[in-house]
Amino acid sequence: DVKVTQSSRYLVKRTGEKVFLECVQDMDHENMFWYRQDPGLGLRLIYFSYDVKMKEKGDIPEGYSVSREKKERFSLILESASTNQTSMYLCASSLDPPEVNTEAFFGQGTRLTVV
Amino acid sequence: QKEVEQNSGPLSVPEGAIASLNCTYSDRGSQSFFWYRQYSGKSPELIMFIYSNGDKEDGRFTAQLNKASQYVSLLIRDSQPSDSATYLCAVRGAGSYQLTFGKGTKLSVIP
Repeated sequence: DVKVTQSSRYLVKRTGEKVFLECVQDMDHENMFWYRQDPGLGLRLIYFSYDVKMKEKGDIPEGYSVSREKKERFSLILESASTNQTSMYLCASSLDPPEVNTEAFFGQGTRLTVV
Repeated sequence: QKEVEQNSGPLSVPEGAIASLNCTYSDRGSQSFFWYRQYSGKSPELIMFIYSNGDKEDGRFTAQLNKASQYVSLLIRDSQPSDSATYLCAVRGAGSYQLTFGKGTKLSVIP
């Protein structure tokens, strides 16, 4: 059974803290993604990675960075958390190259609250 | 900017009826199209994908694609209360790594 696991289900952090969200997949997928999901705004891509140590900005990268040191692990970093980063964060992975039927598998999500 | 548009709903249908969910996309180079279901507080899970014009059926679900009109839809026959969820349309361009998601349509099936 395919599995994408995010390290925390719920997280509360203070403004200005450095926050790490971890994601691990056991499917040997090359591609990994970080999305945030907000009411009325849908799923928006923050960053993605198509290989170890490779990363590409998504639609809303400001205030975030990522790290991919191993194929199975993709970390999202909030350098200095702000209240407008309170959101549901979803990690996903997929095979490469992307074929017509290549789906993205999602982790269970991390609900981050910044106070 | 690639855009995927969906009616936000809520769409309410009685149990046993057909639910029709619609999605339009802006990028004519889009190659494959996905429907995900997301229950409240849960992560999205794939229902089905389609990449050729026409209909594709899987159980009670039928996806329809019309590339000329840049339109994709999902029909749910014999709707059940357990189908109540938000349905996300996602689109991938040819050779693209990423999926672009619509904002989702919330479906409520009334017993």
